[in-house]
Formats: sequence, C-alpha cells, structure tokens
Amino acid sequence: QKEVEQDPGPLSVPEGAIVSLNCTYSNSAFQYFMWYRQYSRKGPELLMYTYSSGNKEDGRFTAQVDKSSKYISLFIRDSQPSDSATYLCALSEVQGAQKLVFGQGTRLTINP
Amino acid sequence: DAEITQSPRHKITETGRQVTLACHQTWNHNNMFWYRQDLGHGLRLIHYSYGVQDTNKGEVSDGYSVSRSNTEDLPLTLESAASSQTSVYFCASSESRDPIYGYTFGSGTRLTVV
Repeated sequence: QKEVEQDPGPLSVPEGAIVSLNCTYSNSAFQYFMWYRQYSRKGPELLMYTYSSGNKEDGRFTAQVDKSSKYISLFIRDSQPSDSATYLCALSEVQGAQKLVFGQGTRLTINP
Repeated sequence: DAEITQSPRHKITETGRQVTLACHQTWNHNNMFWYRQDLGHGLRLIHYSYGVQDTNKGEVSDGYSVSRSNTEDLPLTLESAASSQTSVYFCASSESRDPIYGYTFGSGTRLTVV
C-alpha cells in the first residue's frame, strides 16, 4: 500500500466550476500537508500548506485536512483556464528530515 | 535572481553507460533532493543531502549515486544506465527543514535510456 494515494484523473471541468482534489494517506505521523502545482514540462511549485487538521484559505484556493480520516482536499473556486495543471499533494512528518512524500498528482483541465 | 538549474534538459543514452545529471542552485540552500517522476508513481525520492559531504538514500536509490562537495551542486550519477531508469528527473532545494517552506524545483531533465 502506498503511503499517499491520489486519483491521477484526468479531470476536466468548465471554467467557473468548483474543483475538488483529494488525497488519502496511511501514515498517521504526517503533520504537514502541502499542495504543489505543476505546469506541463515544468517543476512543481508550492501552492499551499497546512499544519495538522483544519482549513486554510488563500484567494480562490482552500486546503482542508481531516486527520481522523487521513484525508486531505484542495478546493478551487471560480476555476480559470490558467489553473490547468497537475496538482500534487505532499506530506511530511514533524520530526527529523524534511522529506516530502508526494501523491501521484491529478491532471486538471479547465475548459473555457 | 536566485535559481535552481538542471542540465541537460534532455538526454538520450545507451544501456550500460554512466550518466551524470547536473543540478546547480544559487539559493544557498543546505538541503537538496533528487526525485524521479513516472506515470503511475508520481515523484519518488532518489537521494538527498542536508549539507556538504552529507548524502542519504531515498526510496528508489538503487543504481544511483550523489556527492555533495559544495553547497551549490548535487550531481546525480547513474552508474550503469538501464531502461527502467528512463524518467523525468527533478532536483529540488530547500532553505529549512521546516516543511512549510516547501521545495524549489528545477525544470527537470528528461532521460531516455535505449
């Protein structure tokens, strides 16, 4: 069983739709939860992070963590064609090395 | 501006050859990482380093080696390239061990082993 599971998609939605991207994980030691965005033929870039359970909002993006269910989500409101990219969740334990464990990534296309 | 650069961007090599992928960062970050990205597997950690002379194995280190002789560079060597090592390789660096700062990634090297 992989430590982090993420549906690879692809996911295609119309412009303006609300998008929900999700990851599940098995390691209860994960305390830091991040979302990276990766445009085609580019390296990933950090989009948002959350620590422990709860919600965090940044503009049109909301990250949600439910540690009891080992489930994290990224919501995109009023989606734009420029949001078309692959979204990867990344998780890290509190102690020791800053080693990130990545999900497979979900390929998202926003259609104008 | 500070940056992290990988070279070459594309590489085709033959099975059994030794190949070295370069990673150079001007962020002055102590922490550097090598990942490979494959369909169905996402990003998997190959090797990482927390400073000069420090190297550590990641999840998929077999067949790969790294050395860290200065802060700026972490070259990745494939000792004897195999077709299973055809992949996109990403180098990353980070300022802190605190994960909230995230990684800064290079643009990747696409390696094909024939």
